[in-house]
Amino acid sequence: ETGVTQSPTHLIKTRGQQVTLRCSSQSGHNTVSWYQQALGQGPQFIFQYYREEENGRGNFPPRFSGLQFPNYSSELNVNALELDDSALYLCASSPTGTGPDTQYFGPGTRLTVL
Amino acid sequence: GDSVTQMEGPVTLSEEAFLTINCTYTATGYPSLFWYVQYPGEGLQLLLKATKADDKGSNKGFEATYRKETTSFHLEKGSVQVSDSAVYFCALSVDSWGKLQFGAGTQVVVTP
Repeated sequence: ETGVTQSPTHLIKTRGQQVTLRCSSQSGHNTVSWYQQALGQGPQFIFQYYREEENGRGNFPPRFSGLQFPNYSSELNVNALELDDSALYLCASSPTGTGPDTQYFGPGTRLTVL
Repeated sequence: GDSVTQMEGPVTLSEEAFLTINCTYTATGYPSLFWYVQYPGEGLQLLLKATKADDKGSNKGFEATYRKETTSFHLEKGSVQVSDSAVYFCALSVDSWGKLQFGAGTQVVVTP
């Protein structure tokens, strides 16, 4: 039990639609990162938020956006869905500046784009 | 850019066999190195880490040594169990914020 939850567990969308994925972190975890894990691949860093501001971004287009809220929850929004967006989306949270060994991953949201 | 390369799977072993999963990396600066494990139906879990050259990370019988001269961080376990069946990911981080660069993962299957 990591204390990080994600919703929904599974989601099916069609190409061109928009989707919002949610993550709820432990109290005090004000750093959250999002990753995309395509089938059979390792997770790819999308972006990180710290105290509601973006704190670094990977090689993903602007149609991937995020929000972080004061209650330790966060969202990943993807606009204009493409077939290649089908993946497991993971969020990970940690207390400020404590590094990856105190980073806890959620179970993920499986997104299928048809 | 930074990258991690690990051996392809699946790796199939009998119980009590020796396990090695090779991992090499390319990075600017001095990365921290990690092994994560993903059990079926579960989230990613940190298995072990090393933050500087020659450090050895260990946990649950698994070990890996940070080799700067060969840019490697190979994972080893002397005697695997069926419960070690999972996908193992090598990863690096070049900052203290936990932004991770993962390898593609290696599936390990241990048979009784």
